[in-house]
Amino acid sequence: KQEVTQIPAALSVPEGENLVLNCSFTDSAIYNLQWFRQDPGKGLTSLLLIQSSQREQTSGRLNASLDKSSGRSTLYIAASQPGDSATYLCALNSGYALNFGKGTSLLVTP
Amino acid sequence: GAGVSQSPSNKVTEKGKDVELRCDPISGHTALYWYRQSLGQGLEFLIYFQGNSAPDKSGLPSDRFSAERTGGSVSTLTIQRTQQEDSAVYLCASSLAGFSGANVLTFGAGSRLTVL
Repeated sequence: KQEVTQIPAALSVPEGENLVLNCSFTDSAIYNLQWFRQDPGKGLTSLLLIQSSQREQTSGRLNASLDKSSGRSTLYIAASQPGDSATYLCALNSGYALNFGKGTSLLVTP
Repeated sequence: GAGVSQSPSNKVTEKGKDVELRCDPISGHTALYWYRQSLGQGLEFLIYFQGNSAPDKSGLPSDRFSAERTGGSVSTLTIQRTQQEDSAVYLCASSLAGFSGANVLTFGAGSRLTVL
């Protein structure tokens, strides 16, 4: 069974800092990897999707990378803002399930 | 619709009662998923529908849980004889197709269930 681990579990940074969120997984036989954002009391919003054949995807201040050989993905957030405060989840699509990590809770302080 | 709609948004019930949670997916999305998010836990996969059929029901926690989807659209998750450990946020998602390479899941806001 795919095991997905996200480190750190929580992170607090001052506004303006660049930061990296980590996601590791045990089974590299995946279709894609997706990063989501979850605000308190809300559903999940898809941020980036990286296909199995891709190495990275970028959207605005967000950059996600995928290294299947090492079982790792990172989400890079540039010039963080208080509005980025949320829980960030990575999810692996194994073709028959979407397995989520427990998330990283990010707080960006003004 | 424009997004995935779930109702009720909040449900408080007494132990032993049955509850129904509803999910209205994005129009045209053939795949529909149910997940459960308990406090401090990750998202737990419950069940997935492709059209009206559910290829994989193995994620349902017990036989008190059932789900159906009719007309390839709205889905209902039913929990019978609720227990306190059923308290969680139940999230529904839909996508154009099933688990495949280019598939992006769109989630609803969830139904928060509290069993007293």
